[in-house]
Amino acid sequence: DAGITQSPRHKVTETGTPVTLRCHQTENHRYMYWYRQDPGHGLRLIHYSYGVKDTDKGEVSDGYSVSRSKTEDFLLTLESATSSQTSVYFCAIKDRATGELFFGEGSRLTVL
Amino acid sequence: KNQVEQSPQSLIILEGKNCTLQCNYTVSPFSNLRWYKQDTGRGPVSLTIMTFSENTKSNGRYTATLDADTKQSSLHITASQLSDSASYICVVSFNTGGFKTIFGAGTRLFVKA
Repeated sequence: DAGITQSPRHKVTETGTPVTLRCHQTENHRYMYWYRQDPGHGLRLIHYSYGVKDTDKGEVSDGYSVSRSKTEDFLLTLESATSSQTSVYFCAIKDRATGELFFGEGSRLTVL
Repeated sequence: KNQVEQSPQSLIILEGKNCTLQCNYTVSPFSNLRWYKQDTGRGPVSLTIMTFSENTKSNGRYTATLDADTKQSSLHITASQLSDSASYICVVSFNTGGFKTIFGAGTRLFVKA
């Protein structure tokens, strides 16, 4: 258990509404990541953070923004949700010693 | 193009039987390869990691192999159990001025009693 908590675990929303997903970690890891997982695709990187207020885009960042104001929290925001953003979102931290990624339990988002 | 492909997409086996899952990659320059297990409704959990110089790594009933020359890896599960029912994801990391990671789409394994 890498001490990662995602919230909410499930959310249903309507097209055009804003959505924020939260990732909270308790072990002071520097690197945090947001991925989305869709059927037939591998996990795809949305955004990542390498420190407080230090973030960068991944391969599928369009339509998403992130913020990291504290080491323990990494927020993923969909400013105006679309049906194509229906997915399962995973937060991960990286153990710098081993490079291993530890994942949260996922947040299932449905955009109607 | 850097890619990771896994086969088969899904597999059904009887409890107690062995199985082998395949991973082919076209990633360069290769850094390491991990296999993750993902139970339904949960996040992925690492099973094994192999670097360029390693060609086999075991974790209990799971044995991963790596052929860096042919860019192929396999995950062998021995004496399968019902709890092995999960998706198995091959993940390859490479270094192009910064470490990047590509995830395969996974193999969905069903173990039946």
